[in-house]
Amino acid sequence: QVQLVQSGAEVKKPGASVKVSCKASGYTFITYYMHWVRQAPGQGLEWMGRINPSGGYTIYAQKFQGRVTMTRDKSTSTVYMELSSLRSEDTAVYYCARAGYSGTSLERAFDIWGRGTMVTVSS
Amino acid sequence: QSVLTQPPSASGTPGQRVTISCSGSSSIIGSNTVNWYQQLPGTAPQLLIYSNNQRPSGVPDRFSGSKSGTSASLAISGLQSEDEAYYYCATWDDSLNGPVFGTGTTVTVL
Repeated sequence: QVQLVQSGAEVKKPGASVKVSCKASGYTFITYYMHWVRQAPGQGLEWMGRINPSGGYTIYAQKFQGRVTMTRDKSTSTVYMELSSLRSEDTAVYYCARAGYSGTSLERAFDIWGRGTMVTVSS
Repeated sequence: QSVLTQPPSASGTPGQRVTISCSGSSSIIGSNTVNWYQQLPGTAPQLLIYSNNQRPSGVPDRFSGSKSGTSASLAISGLQSEDEAYYYCATWDDSLNGPVFGTGTTVTVL
């Protein structure tokens, strides 16, 4: 079945970087954009950016420009999200989410989500 | 701060109908379709409604969505205990080139 499997929880110190992985299976990896969304404890959802797994092209939310890097490995159907210069406010669950097929009414909806990766930033 | 405003909470007894609103500006909701996500406690969000009123396969027809002007609504009819969750609306922000999410509404089944 279609699923996204994310890497495990991370604990980082302020100023460090974290790299979260998201392995896709059950569908043609390069056909669907992948997005990253985060959720701070007790808070709502915040979009971080997206990557086109086919060409590797990325678009990042302005808030994260300069700190976030999204990459992909087509050989393993895996996307990565790296966030640098971590601060306590970056403590959150980070989700990868697949956008629906381009050109359909689903293309701007997230139809498959990973289970999330908890990133804790603490000294 | 989200540009899409939802009521913090909504509640109802089993079998009742509950409606959640989502309001935004004409440049945001007015220009794009609205999606709704359900987030059960401790789990990842799931797509509930897309393109204003479309249900993905597997979503019960108790859930329905609508949009008018700069507002959208999610209705849950025949409320059930398993509907206790957070609900988020979302739409595309062309200036962001990405989605914006609503503030979220927690639904409680009394």
